[in-house]
Amino acid sequence: EAQVTQNPRYLITVTGKKLTVTCSQNMNHEYMSWYRQDPGLGLRQIYYSMNVEVTDKGDVPEGYKVSRKEKRNFPLILESPSPNQTSLYFCASSFLLADNEQFFGPGTRLTVL
Amino acid sequence: AQKITQTQPGMFVQEKEAVTLDCTYDTSDQSYGLFWYKQPSSGEMIFLIYQGSYDEQNATEGRYSLNFQKARKSANLVISASQLGDSAMYFCAMREGARSQGNLIFGKGTKLSVKP
Repeated sequence: EAQVTQNPRYLITVTGKKLTVTCSQNMNHEYMSWYRQDPGLGLRQIYYSMNVEVTDKGDVPEGYKVSRKEKRNFPLILESPSPNQTSLYFCASSFLLADNEQFFGPGTRLTVL
Repeated sequence: AQKITQTQPGMFVQEKEAVTLDCTYDTSDQSYGLFWYKQPSSGEMIFLIYQGSYDEQNATEGRYSLNFQKARKSANLVISASQLGDSAMYFCAMREGARSQGNLIFGKGTKLSVKP
């Protein structure tokens, strides 16, 4: 089944404790990205990647890192999480030249205390 | 200025009736794409429909159609014959520029409630 998976789905952590949210897709998509969703703000892009070893900042990259060592994986890293990073996070992927549909993962609800 | 504007924070519709969710966009690019996503209470983002800026026909997918008015920069979603399962948040989104740039810019969403 074609899908984007994220882990964990739910995470409660404390300020300053490094964490990684994994994202994996099995559709051979070149393009992958991370969004965060906050009430009243819709979804905002954090980082994106057009292919292996090619990443770039989105609209709200502060406090986040990403890596793209393999085509299928695009982890989101919070080196020192803060409470303002409490949010719902989505990973998405698509083909680069046929992006009329972006596939979203199920979301990761992160709470930073 | 907001790139995507959804002016209806919440809407109600009677089951089996049609409903239109408004979306206006702002871009100076000639090539862009417009998307609608549904987010039920379970949280996942479900792709509904896509309209390319050069597409001459309005996109349709089952009960969903996109009323694309390029000159007015609007891309309203029409849901025909509403069902109780259509109750959800609906997001309009835009991809600007060439196809190699995949960033979606989202509106703030419209919460649709379908009444039995």
